[in-house]
Amino acid sequence: QVQLQESGPGLVKPSETLSLTCAVSGYSISSGYHWGWIRQPPGKGLEWIGSIYHSGVTYYNPSLKSRVTISVDTSKNHFSLKLSSVTAADTAVYYCARAGETFYVSGTYTNWFDPWGQGTLVTVSS
Amino acid sequence: EIVLTQSPGTLSLSPGERATLSCRASQSVSSSYLAWYQQKPGQAPRLLIYGASTRATGIPDRFSGSGSGTDFTLTISRLEPEDFAVYYCQHYGSSPNTFGQGTKLEIK
Repeated sequence: QVQLQESGPGLVKPSETLSLTCAVSGYSISSGYHWGWIRQPPGKGLEWIGSIYHSGVTYYNPSLKSRVTISVDTSKNHFSLKLSSVTAADTAVYYCARAGETFYVSGTYTNWFDPWGQGTLVTVSS
Repeated sequence: EIVLTQSPGTLSLSPGERATLSCRASQSVSSSYLAWYQQKPGQAPRLLIYGASTRATGIPDRFSGSGSGTDFTLTISRLEPEDFAVYYCQHYGSSPNTFGQGTKLEIK
């Protein structure tokens, strides 16, 4: 049974870079599927950040694309998120998830997600 | 970007009753690429439905999804105490995929 676990600093200063890692167990990232990051500000809804395939193919939400980098390390069976120049608006619970199915639409990929990690709260504050 | 609007914002019902949750898209969602998730306080979302009407593995058959184009519905036929939660729809018919703002299903 695949399980995902997010890890990283819970507090990041404004203008710095948020860095999180998602460790995957029970499944080898190299075997397939796409993998994604989704966030949820406190008391609010969900926002897809971006996704990656084990080959390194990435695709991002245009609203965050200029600040986001997602990478994968198949030897450690984990993938990572970096979000630069953070502000208080980036305070959220960050989830990693496996894409259940992926579709190629209009030159990029889209997917739904299952399962999800438990999430980790990242607060942006000085 | 497709905007998903869920209604009602809050739905107050009793166990045993039928729940009908709506998700309306600002543009047609291609190929019924629409998913539903359930989220309980302090927990990650759990996939219920994908492809507008296909139940995910392990999801009870009291949950059903329907709809196409711009109008989609999640129905819970007979509410169990564990069904009271927040429900989100998500489209993945174009990029970026987006989520609705959620419907809170609370005990009356």
